[in-house]
Amino acid sequence: GIQVEQSPPDLILQEGANSTLRCNFSDSVNNLQWFHQNPWGQLINLFYIPSGTKQNGRLSATTVATERYSLLYISSSQTTDSGVYFCAVVGYTGGFKTIFGAGTRLFVKA
Amino acid sequence: EAQVTQNPRYLITVTGKKLTVTCSQNMNHEYMSWYRQDPGLGLRQIYYSMNVEVTDKGDVPEGYKVSRKEKRNFPLILESPSPNQTSLYFCASSPRGGRISNYGYTFGSGTRLTVV
Repeated sequence: GIQVEQSPPDLILQEGANSTLRCNFSDSVNNLQWFHQNPWGQLINLFYIPSGTKQNGRLSATTVATERYSLLYISSSQTTDSGVYFCAVVGYTGGFKTIFGAGTRLFVKA
Repeated sequence: EAQVTQNPRYLITVTGKKLTVTCSQNMNHEYMSWYRQDPGLGLRQIYYSMNVEVTDKGDVPEGYKVSRKEKRNFPLILESPSPNQTSLYFCASSPRGGRISNYGYTFGSGTRLTVV
């Protein structure tokens, strides 16, 4: 099946710093998304981005489908950015299954 | 408000006692799916449904059943729960799925299940 790897696994930032999170995937995909799981456990969709670049406020994402990776950029980080960031892909492996990466745990210090 | 609603939020049950976790969405989405989240194992898909009466297995379907009799509801059924099904469960929906899955997922708030 499709493998999804995220890096780094853990990240500690000072408030105001920038960061880049990476998601590598092993095969072609129909769908790639980034999610944020906040400290209360809620999963929030950040981007649907199977290719190209999107921006939403301080967050932006780029997916290079031909090279099988996606990047999530967080600029001017805030304490409310803390939580776990997941990428998830949908590809055909005997069905259109959704595969999540293990996540990047981010802590932003005030 | 557009949302995915799961019930209950918390449930403690005993081994072997059948239970159902409900999931309902009010966005007329065709695609719905269930996931479990476990420490060290991340989020894994249990079942998904491309549309009414169309369901398929995800990566960890053993011990679970689903049904999709109407578009808005996608219940997860544990016929005989066991302690290894203790987990945090999430339901999600999307306008479309599969090859034409060009939308993001909306998740419910989660159901924390403990089987003793």
